[in-house]
Amino acid sequence: AQKITQTQPGMFVQEKEAVTLDCTYDTSDQSYGLFWYKQPSSGEMIFLIYQGSYDEQNATEGRYSLNFQKARKSANLVISASQLGDSAMYFCAMREAGRTTGTASKLTFGTGTRLQVTL
Amino acid sequence: KAGVTQTPRYLIKTRGQQVTLSCSPISGHRSVSWYQQTPGQGLQFLFEYFSETQRNKGNFPGRFSGRQFSNSRSEMNVSTLELGDSALYLCASSDGTGVFNSPLHFGNGTRLTVT
Repeated sequence: AQKITQTQPGMFVQEKEAVTLDCTYDTSDQSYGLFWYKQPSSGEMIFLIYQGSYDEQNATEGRYSLNFQKARKSANLVISASQLGDSAMYFCAMREAGRTTGTASKLTFGTGTRLQVTL
Repeated sequence: KAGVTQTPRYLIKTRGQQVTLSCSPISGHRSVSWYQQTPGQGLQFLFEYFSETQRNKGNFPGRFSGRQFSNSRSEMNVSTLELGDSALYLCASSDGTGVFNSPLHFGNGTRLTVT
């Protein structure tokens, strides 16, 4: 069964510093996608970055990059130059191709990491 | 391009009542998914609709149902509300193609409180 583990319930980082949020996953599928979302206190889930299981290069989107280590089944999010507005919950999530299990359309989330950016 | 729109933003209902939540996806998106978010259970998948057909369903009781219209708009219905149904309900849309590599784009959610 697919599973996402985020072991850091909360993290603090100083403004302008970089921070790494950890995510490990478990799947028996060869084809899958890994996603990171940001959820501010307003509740909206904001898509940040995507990494496909067949992508050889780590994904980057502005200040966000994904440190993908397939053999270790990890997909850590790196936020560079943290800003006060980065304070939020961050969720790692996965979608499997699931051609045989019918799970293709489902996104499985981790429990999230609450990031606080301080002055 | 307008994002995913969910209405209403807040709802307060009484135990035993029913409720209908609405979701308008991003223009051109044919897949709509619903998720329930609670402090105890986290984010859980309810169901997904694609081209008016339910494509996948999570592990929720039959009191939770949904449908999708020809314009891709979707509604979710919860009947005989229980206190435990209090949650943030998030709707997400995607283009539905490519499946595992299509990001979901979420709305602001509907916060349901059952008293």
